Amino acid sequence: EAGVAQSPRYKIIEKRQSVAFWCNPISGHATLYWYQQILGQGPKLLIQFQNNGVVDDSQLPKDRFSAERLKGVDSTLKIQPAKLEDSAVYLCASSLDPWTASYEQYFGPGTRLTVT
Amino acid sequence: DAKTTQPPSMDCAEGRAANLPCNHSTISGNEYVYWYRQIHSQGPQYIIHGLKNNETNEMASLIITEDRKSSTLILPHATLRDTAVYYCIVRVNTNAGKSTFGDGTTLTVKP
Repeated sequence: EAGVAQSPRYKIIEKRQSVAFWCNPISGHATLYWYQQILGQGPKLLIQFQNNGVVDDSQLPKDRFSAERLKGVDSTLKIQPAKLEDSAVYLCASSLDPWTASYEQYFGPGTRLTVT
Repeated sequence: DAKTTQPPSMDCAEGRAANLPCNHSTISGNEYVYWYRQIHSQGPQYIIHGLKNNETNEMASLIITEDRKSSTLILPHATLRDTAVYYCIVRVNTNAGKSTFGDGTTLTVKP
């Protein structure tokens, strides 16, 4: 089966610019996650969707970050305006196979963002 | 969700068993233990999970203590390709379950 797809793989922008990341989860997976991983640290959950509804966005900096999953399938994460401290890898993951009711997460390759 | 404590780094000789410990002393009765690993420049990869019984799959074995306050991930015959950061997390198996990743254990397998 196809894995979690993310694009772009790399992005370099200047501070105060905007950027968007795209994620397509594994087919049939109801739950979609966006994580931020700063170099040397573990992934930090930004937002979790169940179908097209938000389950948890408590750690999403809502003044500059936004995310949507309009049709309950693919998702976009946007940063506007970007700050230097947003430089990180942005990981998308999906889980909950309705056939097996399993909750293990499958991660995409990530998007490496560099803000200069 | 409960938090976990892992040693920051470990070494293992190639071909030997790698035993990675995790402390989760505040785990709740309905929380599962999950293990993931992250090889350099890749996204994390699911390894195994369990509730209270020991589990084994083609990648690893998971040993959970009887009081469930700690667990050990065992890679029976470590190879150089097992060099990675290993994360232990605990979460409930519901739609709202959240996976809180710590900084994990960096396992280095040496020839």
